Amino acid sequence: DQQVKQNSPSLSVQEGRISILNCDYTNSMFDYFLWYKKYPAEGPTFLISISSIKDKNEDGRFTVFLNKSAKHLSLHIVPSQPGDSAVYFCAARAISGGSYIPTFGRGTSLIVHP
Amino acid sequence: DGGITQSPKYLFRKEGQNVTLSCEQNLNHDAMYWYRQDPGQGLRLIYYSQIVNDFQKGDIAEGYSVSREKKESFPLTVTSAQKNPTAFYLCASSHGDLDYGYTFGSGTRLTVV
Repeated sequence: DQQVKQNSPSLSVQEGRISILNCDYTNSMFDYFLWYKKYPAEGPTFLISISSIKDKNEDGRFTVFLNKSAKHLSLHIVPSQPGDSAVYFCAARAISGGSYIPTFGRGTSLIVHP
Repeated sequence: DGGITQSPKYLFRKEGQNVTLSCEQNLNHDAMYWYRQDPGQGLRLIYYSQIVNDFQKGDIAEGYSVSREKKESFPLTVTSAQKNPTAFYLCASSHGDLDYGYTFGSGTRLTVV
């Protein structure tokens, strides 16, 4: 049973527009969330994270929003650039409770068209 | 520069042969991990190690073995018991349970024919 779900396998966006990648989770013990970006044949790189005590974290063009009551988080990329085309993985971990090992979603492939 | 190195990038093996994937880090990280990525499956944890000479099974450990004799090194052996070994393998490291992010290697693509 997937505890972290990325229900959209792919997303296509025009350059300059907003990209919104969604992630849902089922485990209420999760209290820290991370986004990773991965190019083909490379390892993922850390992008941005958010603790459950916050509902928003921003880093340049990237903003992550957390809705704890809905067990939902989203990554916003504004403005989107062709270099943002990659697979984005959502991950969640339970720092305070159970295992600190993050659980990953299946990823969303983002394509940004020039 | 500090980083995590996986070698080789591409590996081909015949069915029934064991193969060992290398992972070395010079980040002075305590913890190291092995993940497997299959199309549409995301990242699945194979094994992890928090300290030298100790490691734990992840979600899909069957058919794999690891060792952690040195802090810098965490090799993964894919044995002949692994039913579907062809995959992209990723090694990662972190400072341990208080660190919030992993540093990943660039991966090894294993193809078993």
